[in-house]
Amino acid sequence: AQSVTQLDSHVSVSEGTPVLLRCNYSSSYSPSLFWYVQHPNKGLQLLLKYTSAATLVKGINGFEAEFKKSETSFHLTKPSAHMSDAAEYFCVVSDLEGNKLTFGTGTQLKVEL
Amino acid sequence: NAGVTQTPKFQVLKTGQSMTLQCAQDMNHEYMSWYRQDPGMGLRLIHYSVGAGITDQGEVPNGYNVSRSTTEDFPLRLLSAAPSQTSVYFCASSYSGPHTEAFFGQGTRLTVV
Repeated sequence: AQSVTQLDSHVSVSEGTPVLLRCNYSSSYSPSLFWYVQHPNKGLQLLLKYTSAATLVKGINGFEAEFKKSETSFHLTKPSAHMSDAAEYFCVVSDLEGNKLTFGTGTQLKVEL
Repeated sequence: NAGVTQTPKFQVLKTGQSMTLQCAQDMNHEYMSWYRQDPGMGLRLIHYSVGAGITDQGEVPNGYNVSRSTTEDFPLRLLSAAPSQTSVYFCASSYSGPHTEAFFGQGTRLTVV
């Protein structure tokens, strides 16, 4: 079975400061890992994905994530937050066992002036 | 490009009514899925399909039916609506399975009174 734990339900940062959204996963097989973003009243959009290539994955809008197998983590980071980054972020795992995606419960990112 | 199109965007139903949420994609994707999103619970998989004529249950299938007669369309039917089915519903498609990027529709906000 696969599962995802997003360690913070809400994160608040000031504009221009770094962003860290934490995610731990559990998977029986080599997982594919994703981060999706959802802006208010919108569908979800892919930020980045890890599929067993480089462990440091770069995504859109300056986001990146590092796959750490020993820690079963896939934390999302951005060096400098922008007001437009305010949204809900989902860490997602997929593996060949279940033929499906499993979503974390989401982290709401607030960016303040 | 239209991508994934869901209709309607909003719907109010009375308890016991039935309805169909429509989902269509124009990307020739084999894999399609339906999720419901509830506050604090992330997205949960209702049903999915790996190709025309093939469907399977997800995490929360009770009260919902699906069919996949064509590659493009994947409707979700609520058989007898209940207040517990009040939620936001998302349809998604991906090229060959959940390990590839999923494209999401804009969602349908359903209220059952």
